Amino acid sequence: DQQVKQNSPSLSVQEGRISILNCDYTNSMFDYFLWYKKYPAEGPTFLISISSIKDKNEDGRFTVFLNKSAKHLSLHIVPSQPGDSAVYFCLGTSGSRLTFGEGTQLTVNP
Amino acid sequence: DTGVSQNPRHKITKRGQNVTFRCDPISEHNRLYWYRQTLGQGPEFLTYFQNEAQLEKSRLLSDRFSAERPKGSFSTLEIQRTEQGDSAMYLCASSPRDKGVAYEQYFGPGTRLTVT
Repeated sequence: DQQVKQNSPSLSVQEGRISILNCDYTNSMFDYFLWYKKYPAEGPTFLISISSIKDKNEDGRFTVFLNKSAKHLSLHIVPSQPGDSAVYFCLGTSGSRLTFGEGTQLTVNP
Repeated sequence: DTGVSQNPRHKITKRGQNVTFRCDPISEHNRLYWYRQTLGQGPEFLTYFQNEAQLEKSRLLSDRFSAERPKGSFSTLEIQRTEQGDSAMYLCASSPRDKGVAYEQYFGPGTRLTVT
């Protein structure tokens, strides 16, 4: 039962352009949605979150959008930088348990 | 404080052997979590401690798996009679209690297990 689904295993964008990473979920009990970023040989690190009662949260170059009726969220990175190249995980949480998607490898080309 | 540490970073073992991994969380964090990540998948929750109490276990944690956190500080994850399907990256994370965003967990680099 894949409760959080990231359908794009990879995404490639040009430096300075917008990166849009997408995620769908099935569990209506999640109270927060998160994005984590992972570089090779390191553990995932927290990037940005959104409460299930919100539809947008912005932090610098990163914005997360939540569409509850569609059970869909997305992460926008503007402008994209080569240092943003990493695997991005979409997550849902209720209580202490994090439920990860499969991840999307973002590559930002100089 | 250098963050969450895990040892060993890599472990190769033969099927049927027992292995034990260690996780040292960030010192002031009293919540500790174990996850397993297989190729092409995101990490999957295994178990969670608050101090020394194991409060939650996933159905993924079979009888061959046991986790402990005896003094509420470091934790160990033991796998008995390893199987090839146990080959994965085992991740540990910690978080402080009652710090608003309980979901912000700090991950270690993981222990990669290969069962031959």
